[in-house]
Amino acid sequence: RKEVEQDPGPFNVPEGATVAFNCTYSNSASQSFFWYRQDCRKEPKLLMSVYSSGNEDGRFTAQLNRASQYISLLIRDSKLSDSATYLCVVNPSGTYKYIFGTGTRLKVLA
Amino acid sequence: SQTIHQWPATLVQPVGSPLSLECTVEGTSNPNLYWYRQAAGRGLQLLFYSVGIGQISSEVPQNLSASRPQDRQFILSSKKLLLSDSGFYLCAWSPAVYEQYFGPGTRLTVT
Repeated sequence: RKEVEQDPGPFNVPEGATVAFNCTYSNSASQSFFWYRQDCRKEPKLLMSVYSSGNEDGRFTAQLNRASQYISLLIRDSKLSDSATYLCVVNPSGTYKYIFGTGTRLKVLA
Repeated sequence: SQTIHQWPATLVQPVGSPLSLECTVEGTSNPNLYWYRQAAGRGLQLLFYSVGIGQISSEVPQNLSASRPQDRQFILSSKKLLLSDSGFYLCAWSPAVYEQYFGPGTRLTVT
């Protein structure tokens, strides 16, 4: 089993739709979680950290479910500019390493 | 504010040639530094990380090496490139164990 797993997609959604991605992780001792966005041929950019209580930033909501070992990202009112690959990142407890999922590709259609 | 620089942006090198990629961070001190490689259509592979000057941890045995000669400088090197070394090389920094911030990357093609 991969340490961090994501559905590669693509998720094709119309503008204005709500879309959700899940990401599962295998190390139950993981302590920090993040979502990054990567545009084609560009570096990943931090979208949001994921806190135990969940957090929201505008149209984006992240949730953590420690019992089931997954994190989620919800995007409301999708914009064309949201088209990108979304990377799930996990930091295992006691390490300086970050484990990246292979990403979920989102295409928002006009 | 913090800034991370990488150069060059693109590089085309023949098989067997040496490699040196440089990454520098401004606006912070004692950052954790990372080198990743992303092959075409693939995920990020952690190559090396460093938590201090002269401290290098290697994640993948290969013909690459890394050095950290100064607090905010991280260098990725190879004595002889292989075709399989082609990819998008990303440097990142982190303030302790928090979010990572990436440089613009170097796109390397080995021919």
